[in-house]
Amino acid sequence: EAGVTQFPSHSVIEKGQTVTLRCDPISGHDNLYWYRRVMGKEIKFLLHFVKESKQDESGMPNNRFLAERTGGTYSTLKVQPAELEDSGVYFCASSQDRTALYGYTFGSGTRLTVV
Amino acid sequence: AQSVTQLDSQVPVFEEAPVELRCNYSSSVSVYLFWYVQYPNQGLQLLLKYLSGSTLVESINGFEAEFNKSQTSFHLRKPSVHISDTAEYFCAVRASGGSYIPTFGRGTSLIVHP
Repeated sequence: EAGVTQFPSHSVIEKGQTVTLRCDPISGHDNLYWYRRVMGKEIKFLLHFVKESKQDESGMPNNRFLAERTGGTYSTLKVQPAELEDSGVYFCASSQDRTALYGYTFGSGTRLTVV
Repeated sequence: AQSVTQLDSQVPVFEEAPVELRCNYSSSVSVYLFWYVQYPNQGLQLLLKYLSGSTLVESINGFEAEFNKSQTSFHLRKPSVHISDTAEYFCAVRASGGSYIPTFGRGTSLIVHP
């Protein structure tokens, strides 16, 4: 089966610009998660979708971040306007059930650099 | 809430040497524990997990981890590493009930030298 796909793999934007990250989960996985890792730090949870509904968005840092999952398939994460501290690697993961006891399947991430 | 501490940001070792990557966690409730591995330019992959039962769990590529409740640790070990084990390793913890969202550590970069 195809894995979790994220694009772009890298993005360099200027402060104040807008960037949209995309994640295509494994087909049939209702649960989709966004995580972020700032350089050298923990991988931090951002939010969790079950199908098209936001199940938990407690990790979203502020209202400059907007995540959508129209139709319960792929998801986008938009940052508008981007700030320097938004730089990091954004990971998407999916799982068949929300307990994820068999682990998540992660994408390879989008490295965002805000200059 | 849970927290994870991976004290070593980088662990350099020579090929065929043993290695231990340390992970300590904090939680007021019972937990499940995971180790994920990220090879260069790839996503994280589940390496092994502890859910219940035997406190020693093993992966298919020779890694093992032992859940030590009294020391709140879940250290990852391998008796003899290969060059191909060079990767970043993340420890993660989540409550066995309630929130299903895991908390990840900072990661440990394992660098295996020939």
